[in-house]
Amino acid sequence: KAGVTQTPRYLIKTRGQQVTLSCSPISGHRSVSWYQQTPGQGLQFLFEYFSETQRNKGNFPGRFSGRQFSNSRSEMNVSTLELGDSALYLCASSLLGSNTGELFFGEGSRLTVL
Amino acid sequence: ILNVEQSPQSLHVQEGDSTNFTCSFPSSNFYALHWYRWETAKSPEALFVMTLNGDEKKKGRISATLNTKEGYSYLYIKGSQPEDSATYLCAPHDGSGGGNKLTFGTGTQLKVEL
Repeated sequence: KAGVTQTPRYLIKTRGQQVTLSCSPISGHRSVSWYQQTPGQGLQFLFEYFSETQRNKGNFPGRFSGRQFSNSRSEMNVSTLELGDSALYLCASSLLGSNTGELFFGEGSRLTVL
Repeated sequence: ILNVEQSPQSLHVQEGDSTNFTCSFPSSNFYALHWYRWETAKSPEALFVMTLNGDEKKKGRISATLNTKEGYSYLYIKGSQPEDSATYLCAPHDGSGGGNKLTFGTGTQLKVEL
């Protein structure tokens, strides 16, 4: 069974640009969550999608957005990039879509903003 | 926003030592607690999802206990091996917003030396 796939794995952007990251969940998983990790910080929740609807949103500015498609694949977009957006972005899928279902993480997309 | 604390921040042990870490979280509105192991250059991997006060779960040499009334969970590793070297993350869920909005601690980084 294929795991959670994230693309691209690494990317470099400059300030002011925008970026789109993609996440393909495990087949059959309908919940997709996104997390950001920066040095010294724990994993920070960005948002969660379930059946194409954003169900939860973290404390991030509106420059961070996402969506989910009918096949459960998800994308997140960051517009007007800032240096502080440099981070590892992790996607996680879950079968149950509830807070008692374990999350299955992808390997992440490492974004560097210059 | 949940206040999650993990201690110690880092730990160096010798192969064969047993060790334990602590995760502290607000005891009010508790719904579930997740433990994840994150090895360098890999994805975070679920260890346990616990919901009941007094619950104890075990996976091989790793076990965890949960005290929801006082707001803490312990993770134990018996006879540590080099392959146990990883960052161990806990994430409580307070049930708000439903879904998979987890608040992760900053983790305990374990290094097991030969």
